[in-house]
Amino acid sequence: AQKITQTQPGMFVQEKEAVTLDCTYDTSDPSYGLFWYKQPSSGEMIFLIYQGSYDQQNATEGRYSLNFQKARKSANLVISASQLGDSAMYFCAMREGMYSGGGADGLTFGKGTHLIIQP
Amino acid sequence: ETGVTQTPRHLVMGMTNKKSLKCEQHLGHNAMYWYKQSAKKPLELMFVYSLEERVENNSVPSRFSPECPNSSHLFLHLHTLQPEDSALYLCASSQDSWDLQETQYFGPGTRLLVL
Repeated sequence: AQKITQTQPGMFVQEKEAVTLDCTYDTSDPSYGLFWYKQPSSGEMIFLIYQGSYDQQNATEGRYSLNFQKARKSANLVISASQLGDSAMYFCAMREGMYSGGGADGLTFGKGTHLIIQP
Repeated sequence: ETGVTQTPRHLVMGMTNKKSLKCEQHLGHNAMYWYKQSAKKPLELMFVYSLEERVENNSVPSRFSPECPNSSHLFLHLHTLQPEDSALYLCASSQDSWDLQETQYFGPGTRLLVL
């Protein structure tokens, strides 16, 4: 079973609209971290936002916020007031705790969502 | 100097060639990673180094050989590759490898084509 599922392969959004990118995850570990990265066509993965499994509040970073619904194992990224420069691939990723043999591992990534912002 | 640099940015090699990918981080981090990004597949972790010791090897074929001479440099030595090894190879670093909330910072990647 996939650990990270991103169900939207591609999205077209009008500039200045808000956009929600879906991410669901699968883990039995009580300790885990969730990350969102942006990958422009240049290839570099750019860190956007982090949410810890024990965090009580949803994470926010500027125009990015994370809609964390722990019971549903959902960690959707919300981009407010989208801009043309937001066009890119977006990846959701997870790091599990030592309970699952993680901790020293890298990140497990989803397949990504290709977001295109239209003027 | 940007945080994580990779060279070369593009590489074309034959199946009998030997080449090396280089990664350098200027962030003072202790952990470094190699990932492979193939078309239409999620990023796959290949290797993890912490304080120059390999702590994770995700069943990567022996034709990929990592080297970490110090905490700032990471190499991926390539030999007798196959066409299916063509991919974007991304290097990343983080302060430590065991902290769940440690952010990994990525380089721009090396786009490899094996003919």
